[in-house]
Amino acid sequence: GAVVSQHPSRVICKSGTSVKIECRSLDFQATTMFWYRQFPKKSLMLMATSNEGSKATYEQGVEKDKFLINHASLTLSTLTVTSAHPEDSSFYICSAYPGPQETQYFGPGTRLLVL
Amino acid sequence: GNSVTQMEGPVTLSEEAFLTINCTYTATGYPSLFWYVQYPGEGLQLLLKATKADDKGSNKGFEATYRKETTSFHLEKGSVQVSDSAVYFCALPKAAGNKLTFGGGTRVLVKP
Repeated sequence: GAVVSQHPSRVICKSGTSVKIECRSLDFQATTMFWYRQFPKKSLMLMATSNEGSKATYEQGVEKDKFLINHASLTLSTLTVTSAHPEDSSFYICSAYPGPQETQYFGPGTRLLVL
Repeated sequence: GNSVTQMEGPVTLSEEAFLTINCTYTATGYPSLFWYVQYPGEGLQLLLKATKADDKGSNKGFEATYRKETTSFHLEKGSVQVSDSAVYFCALPKAAGNKLTFGGGTRVLVKP
C-alpha cells in the first residue's frame, strides 16, 4: 500500500516551453501533497505544499508563477513548470500525506532536462 | 524550527561491513524521527521511523534508536550488502504540522 506515482519519469523539452508533471496517490487519499526539487548530490528542497481544493503554499524564494501547482482531487496534484529554462533542469519529487499520525509517501521522481 | 544534521559522505564500505550513519537533531518537544533511503535514480522510500523517545525503528536489517538524552537517531546495519548502496536521509517534522526537514543526505557505496 501507500504507493505514489509520478508521470512522466523523464522529460526533455526546449527552452520556453511548459512542462506538466503529475503526482498520484494510487491507493490512498491525500489532502496534502508536497513538491520537492533535488539538485545533483544534494538534499531535497521543499518547493510548495499542495492542498486539495485550495491554493498551494510556496516556500520562500520559489516563484509561484513559474511553478504552477494544482491539486484537483484527493489523489492528484500537478506541477507545471512554465516557460522552462535550462536552470530549471532538476529532479522533481512529490510526496503525498495521508493524514495525522502518518508519514509522507514519496513518488519516484521526474527528471527534467531543459535544452 | 526543528532541524537535523547528519554526517557527510560518501561512506565507502566492503560487503558485510558494519555501517553507522550519525544523525542529530534539535527540536521542540519529541517529534517522530525518520530515515529515508534513495536508490540511484529513484525517489525516497521510508526506511524506518520512531515515534517517541527510546523507540527503536527497524527494517531490512537497519536499526535506529530515538535517544532524547543525546538528541540522536543514528542509523546502523550490522552487515551491509552491495544493494544497500544508496543515499540515506534523516528527517523530522519542521515544526507542528506535516512538513519534513531533511538532513543533507549521506551517500553510501558498498563494494563487493
